[in-house]
Amino acid sequence: DGGITQSPKYLFRKEGQNVTLSCEQNLNHDAMYWYRQDPGQGLRLIYYSQIVNDFQKGDIAEGYSVSREKKESFPLTVTSAQKNPTAFYLCASSMGARGSNQPQHFGDGTRLSIL
Amino acid sequence: GENVEQHPSTLSVQEGDSAVIKCTYSDSASNYFPWYKQELGKGPQLIIDIRSNVGEKKDQRIAVTLNKTAKHFSLHITETQPEDSAVYFCAPGGNQFYFGTGTSLTVIP
Repeated sequence: DGGITQSPKYLFRKEGQNVTLSCEQNLNHDAMYWYRQDPGQGLRLIYYSQIVNDFQKGDIAEGYSVSREKKESFPLTVTSAQKNPTAFYLCASSMGARGSNQPQHFGDGTRLSIL
Repeated sequence: GENVEQHPSTLSVQEGDSAVIKCTYSDSASNYFPWYKQELGKGPQLIIDIRSNVGEKKDQRIAVTLNKTAKHFSLHITETQPEDSAVYFCAPGGNQFYFGTGTSLTVIP
């Protein structure tokens, strides 16, 4: 079955630690996205990538970093500079690039908490 | 960026009744209007979408209507069932970078 796989499902971060969230898709989609969701709120865009080796900041990129070395993979690193990392992180992909009017396909998220 | 507002934020209906959720947006260039359903602990899933050359689209018990002049579109769910209980999000625009704040729908059996 085609889809998006996020891992791990739950992650705990210690003070001063960087952690990396995995996102893999086998849909052959060009575009991939990372969102942050806080309780009772909508999704806010962290980073997006339209093509391999290229990515753009979203509205809340500070304290996060990404890479896109392969089409299928778009890992997100939450750095120690992100002072309030506790949230539900969602990865998505879509066919086509920005403005293509295509739906996004989401993974089932990673819940990150501070120890 | 796009300014997206979604109302109501919570909605409770009796099983079998209808539910309507409205989404307003600011970018008049937006031409793609999807609705997503998010169940607890899961990622959102597309349930219906509409493009700007169409005013209404229906898929069994769900429908979406679009008013481009007034810059809003609505999700209609008829004959609601307990499994419709979830959080619903709109995300207008071709980029879909901006999501509404969500509507928590509870269907009471």
